[in-house]
Amino acid sequence: DQQVKQNSPSLSVQEGRISILNCDYTNSMFDYFLWYKKYPAEGPTFLISISSIKDKNEDGRFTVFLNKSAKHLSLHIVPSQPGDSAVYFCAASGGIFGNEKLTFGTGTRLTIIP
Amino acid sequence: DARVTQTPRHKVTEMGQEVTMRCQPILGHNTVFWYRQTMMQGLELLAYFRNRAPLDDSGMPKDRFSAEMPDATLATLKIQPSEPRDSAVYFCASGFFATGGDTQYFGPGTRLTVL
Repeated sequence: DQQVKQNSPSLSVQEGRISILNCDYTNSMFDYFLWYKKYPAEGPTFLISISSIKDKNEDGRFTVFLNKSAKHLSLHIVPSQPGDSAVYFCAASGGIFGNEKLTFGTGTRLTIIP
Repeated sequence: DARVTQTPRHKVTEMGQEVTMRCQPILGHNTVFWYRQTMMQGLELLAYFRNRAPLDDSGMPKDRFSAEMPDATLATLKIQPSEPRDSAVYFCASGFFATGGDTQYFGPGTRLTVL
């Protein structure tokens, strides 16, 4: 039972355009959401997070949007750069374990086309 | 530049053999996590420790997997006996969790292939 779903296994975007990665969750106890980025042969690295008390968080070219009623979040990258090509994992936490026990999605492979 | 280190980076073994993976968390971090990455399930949490004590190992197959922290600088994940379905990349992560949260810092992973 996947509680965090990334329905697009892959996405290709032209350099300079906007990349939008989507994530859906089913557990209403989740109240903290994160995006991790992973390059080949490396571990995931933290990118950006958002708490359920907000609906948007921005960090440079990266913005995460949260729609609690739809149980949906998205990561926007503007403008997209070749170095953004990686696998992006959405993760969620909450409930009795607080924000230390993360549930990850299956990842979306983003390819930026020069 | 503090990092989580994992050894070995790659392991190929035959079904039935024991496999031990090691992790050195970042100095000062009090929480260590073990994850497994597969194509179908993504990143799954297997177990995690706080101050070397196991907090949750509900994601781990108990009959063949075991996780320990012999000391604050070493976490181990053992599989005995290994099976082909255990083939995956195993990640260790560490962080400092107190009253608030923290980021989890991942190691580079151990790619395990069980033939």
